[in-house]
Amino acid sequence: GENVEQHPSTLSVQEGDSAVIKCTYSDSASNYFPWYKQELGKGPQLIIDIRSNVGEKKDQRIAVTLNKTAKHFSLHITETQPEDSAVYFCAPHGNQFYFGTGTSLTVIP
Amino acid sequence: DAGVTQSPTHLIKTRGQQVTLRCSPKSGHDTVSWYQQALGQGPQFIFQYYEEEERQRGNFPDRFSGHQFPNYSSELNVNALLLGDSALYLCASSLATFVSTLTGANVLTFGAGSRLTVL
Repeated sequence: GENVEQHPSTLSVQEGDSAVIKCTYSDSASNYFPWYKQELGKGPQLIIDIRSNVGEKKDQRIAVTLNKTAKHFSLHITETQPEDSAVYFCAPHGNQFYFGTGTSLTVIP
Repeated sequence: DAGVTQSPTHLIKTRGQQVTLRCSPKSGHDTVSWYQQALGQGPQFIFQYYEEEERQRGNFPDRFSGHQFPNYSSELNVNALLLGDSALYLCASSLATFVSTLTGANVLTFGAGSRLTVL
């Protein structure tokens, strides 16, 4: 199966700073790369995704970049706000979704 | 518009018992997937149901079984519970006809989960 790693596992930033989370995967057949946000007591929620024919996608303060050759993709959050505090998961998809172990982001007001 | 609803939200069982968890998909969705999320870990794929049949299965033993009903709702059954089955069980729904022709992936909508504790 797919081997998915996320770094860092925890991340603390000051409000207004940027946060970057990196996800590496092993399955070269993976062709869909979503990021999910999970708040306490809730299920994961899709926040942004990218397909294998695109290198970068941006949605307001959130962006995802993909390097298929190196088999990694990253989540970028700019101008962080306290409500961005949550656990973030990458979940590359080949024949099924393989979730990373998560990154706990804390935004300090 | 109701999202994905799961029941019960919390339950406690003892080793060897059986449990049934329930899921109602988001309105308009026809496919249901189940995931197990252990504490501090990412969700792990158990199986997916479409047209009342199991279409895909992850690396879980036969103690884990499921069912999908004509109204697209689904149940997850776990027999002979082990301590290691303690986890948050997540249901995710999607629309089969919205599978990307480029990637073969559905976009998932998750419920809040059922927290199972096995003592």
